Amino acid sequence: NAGVTQTPKFQVLKTGQSMTLQCAQDMNHNSMYWYRQDPGMGLRLIYYSASEGTTDKGEVPNGYNVSRLNKREFSLRLESAAPSQTSVYFCASSEALDGGKAFFGQGTRLTVV
Amino acid sequence: KQEVTQIPAALSVPEGENLVLNCSFTDSAIYNLQWFRQDPGKGLTSLLLIQSSQREQTSGRLNASLDKSSGRSTLYIAASQPGDSATYLCRPDRASGAGSYQLTFGKGTKLSVIP
Repeated sequence: NAGVTQTPKFQVLKTGQSMTLQCAQDMNHNSMYWYRQDPGMGLRLIYYSASEGTTDKGEVPNGYNVSRLNKREFSLRLESAAPSQTSVYFCASSEALDGGKAFFGQGTRLTVV
Repeated sequence: KQEVTQIPAALSVPEGENLVLNCSFTDSAIYNLQWFRQDPGKGLTSLLLIQSSQREQTSGRLNASLDKSSGRSTLYIAASQPGDSATYLCRPDRASGAGSYQLTFGKGTKLSVIP
């Protein structure tokens, strides 16, 4: 089973460039999430989607946009990348926001120079 | 805002020992709590999920307990093995009103099990 698939796995961007991180799950889950993980800061929630057609801000949404394209896919877009967005990004999914184990992708390591 | 603390930040034990990892949180109005494991360079794996109405959950050598009123959870690992070496994170989940949610991780405990 593929579970949660993130692409790309690695990316280097120049300051000001834009890019979209892709995430897809094959478990028919309703809820999906984007986190970033930084040394000393831990995992912080960027955006989440309770169900298809809805998105909400998490703890650190500034500088990001998201799209819940359909039930399977949840993308994260950086419109104008900044060095402060250098991080490891994780996508996750669960049956519902208020129930069910969360399943994580393998992460995207993003460096902004 | 939910604050989640995990103590200790790092722990080194000899193989075979039983050990306890701690998670405390400031807002007890949670609906569940999950424990995760993260191996270096990898994503997270959910180990146990405890609903707010439950006191504990068990899976193999792992047992997680929840005391919601005191804002504490513990993860007990029996007969530790080198393969248990990883970072363990907890996440107490709460609904913060108006349909929004706080899904806040602790910073984790890095466990090393020495053969």
